[in-house]
Amino acid sequence: NAGVTQTPKFRILKIGQSMTLQCTQDMNHNYMYWYRQDPGMGLKLIYYSVGAGITDKGEVPNGYNVSRSTTEDFPLRLELAAPSQTSVYFCASSYEPGGNIQYFGAGTRLSVL
Amino acid sequence: GQNIDQPTEMTATEGAIVQINCTYQTSGFNGLFWYQQHAGEAPTFLSYNVLDGLEEKGRFSSFLSRSKGYSYLLLKELQMKDSASYLCAAMDSNYQLIWGAGTKLIIKP
Repeated sequence: NAGVTQTPKFRILKIGQSMTLQCTQDMNHNYMYWYRQDPGMGLKLIYYSVGAGITDKGEVPNGYNVSRSTTEDFPLRLELAAPSQTSVYFCASSYEPGGNIQYFGAGTRLSVL
Repeated sequence: GQNIDQPTEMTATEGAIVQINCTYQTSGFNGLFWYQQHAGEAPTFLSYNVLDGLEEKGRFSSFLSRSKGYSYLLLKELQMKDSASYLCAAMDSNYQLIWGAGTKLIIKP
């Protein structure tokens, strides 16, 4: 069982560069989420999606974009990377939002220098 | 505002019992989750409470008091592999999870 797969696992970017973090799930979950995790802080929701073609902003969306063309894929795009975007990024999915377990990918560790 | 509070770090002895507390303030409430996160890994689900009371699952139990905005995770018969961070998260009225910063649990032999 693959579950939620994220690529890449590690990446170093220069300030101003762009990149896409990939996320794929094979559980046929409707809901998908992107979080960032900074040291000493709780997970912060960047964007989420309730199904193919539908996305919405979370708590910290600035500097990021997402798309959801299929149920399986939910890529996160960073445009004009900044040092403040240095973080660990987690993608998660769930069948429903309320009371439903969120399953997480292994994470992407991103450094912007 | 929305807020989750939990201790930053706790230390316990192998074989003992430890209780990790969590208090929450959210706009609406749709349940309380506990996740375990080993260093460098993804969070994994431990428990979910939406009604007051105790939920027991093997060595782990979780308690919720909605009137007090309070939950705890109880770990019994501690093992070295329980060394991890434990994340408390409350689901608000929009079904979004508000996460605490996590409690790092250190197990000593």
